[in-house]
Amino acid sequence: GENVEQHPSTLSVQEGDSAVIKCTYSDSASNYFPWYKQELGKGPQLIIDIRSNVGEKKDQRIAVTLNKTAKHFSLHITETQPEDSAVYFCAARYNQAGTALIFGKGTTLSVSS
Amino acid sequence: GAVVSQHPSWVICKSGTSVKIECRSLDFQATTMFWYRQFPKQSLMLMATSNEGSKATYEQGVEKDKFLINHASLTLSTLTVTSAHPEDSSFYICSARDEGRTYSNQPQHFGDGTRLSIL
Repeated sequence: GENVEQHPSTLSVQEGDSAVIKCTYSDSASNYFPWYKQELGKGPQLIIDIRSNVGEKKDQRIAVTLNKTAKHFSLHITETQPEDSAVYFCAARYNQAGTALIFGKGTTLSVSS
Repeated sequence: GAVVSQHPSWVICKSGTSVKIECRSLDFQATTMFWYRQFPKQSLMLMATSNEGSKATYEQGVEKDKFLINHASLTLSTLTVTSAHPEDSSFYICSARDEGRTYSNQPQHFGDGTRLSIL
């Protein structure tokens, strides 16, 4: 089955700096890679996703890049703000009906002002 | 946007009690819903895949008689923790795929979770 590794486990940055979180996946059949933000006591919220036929996707301060050959994908947050502080999870899935997302272990991002 | 509603958000009960958690997709239909379990400061672990009109598929190591899943309609799945014990205390989160999208882009949305505490 799929296995997703995520690094780093914790990341501390100053407000305005960029943050990068990296993930690798094991199953070359996986073709959908979302990123979630989870705040304390809440469920994960989808912030951006990418399919395997796309190498990069951007949404304002957030971008995701995918390298299918190396089987890794990354989340980039620019101009970080204190409200970006949360736990971020990457995930992977093969887009077949009924298949579930498999998550990385998460990265706790702390943005200090 | 797409919303998944989960109820209750917090349950405290005595050991031996059975607890039912509901998961609803509010503005889309979901043939498939997923149940995850999350321990403090850990990732989400898939427990089971809930299929409308048929039996759920459980992950290895998850007791199907302990965690009963019923997916009675395209917008509702329930998880019942039977005869709960303190070791069942955890954060349970449901999820549903928005199958109204094109097949290759079906985002998976999550409820806000249920914190279960067994005394």
